[in-house]
Amino acid sequence: EAGVTQSPTHLIKTRGQQATLRCSPISGHTSVYWYQQALGLGLQFLLWYDEGEERNRGNFPPRFSGRQFPNYSSELNVNALELEDSALYLCASSLAGYNSPLHFGNGTRLTVT
Amino acid sequence: KNQVEQSPQSLIILEGKNCTLQCNYTVSPFSNLRWYKQDTGRGPVSLTIMTFSENTKSNGRYTATLDADTKQSSLHITASQLSDSASYICVVSAKSNQFYFGTGTSLTVIP
Repeated sequence: EAGVTQSPTHLIKTRGQQATLRCSPISGHTSVYWYQQALGLGLQFLLWYDEGEERNRGNFPPRFSGRQFPNYSSELNVNALELEDSALYLCASSLAGYNSPLHFGNGTRLTVT
Repeated sequence: KNQVEQSPQSLIILEGKNCTLQCNYTVSPFSNLRWYKQDTGRGPVSLTIMTFSENTKSNGRYTATLDADTKQSSLHITASQLSDSASYICVVSAKSNQFYFGTGTSLTVIP
């Protein structure tokens, strides 16, 4: 069974640009979660998608947005990049239901210069 | 306020020794508690998941305990190996499908 895949693995952007990060969930998983992990800090919840709908979002500005496609893959977009957006962005997928475990990808390392 | 706190923040132990990591939470309504292992530069990998009625769950050399009354959990690692060096994250799920993450314990196993 293929795990959660994220692309690209590394991304370097300059301040003010836009970044697009992609995530393919495990086959059969309908929920996709996005997290930000800044260096040395814990995971901060960004967005949750299920069945193509945004179900919840964390305490992040609107320039962080995303979507989930009919095949359940997902995209995270970050507009007007700021230096503090530099972090590891992790995607996780799960089956529906709050008792289902999260399966994480290995993340996209975004560096903003 | 829903929070998850882990201790210690970091820990260094000798290979072969045991260690215990702690997690205290205030998440309500509680659904389940998970322990994850995160190697540097990689995504977290699930070690255990415990629901309200479970007190202990083992996964090889990893044993998690849960006291739902005091809202505390621990992760015990037996006979540590160099490959156990990682960050261990406690995640508590609320019934609203929200997940609350601790900031992790960084474990270093030295030969």
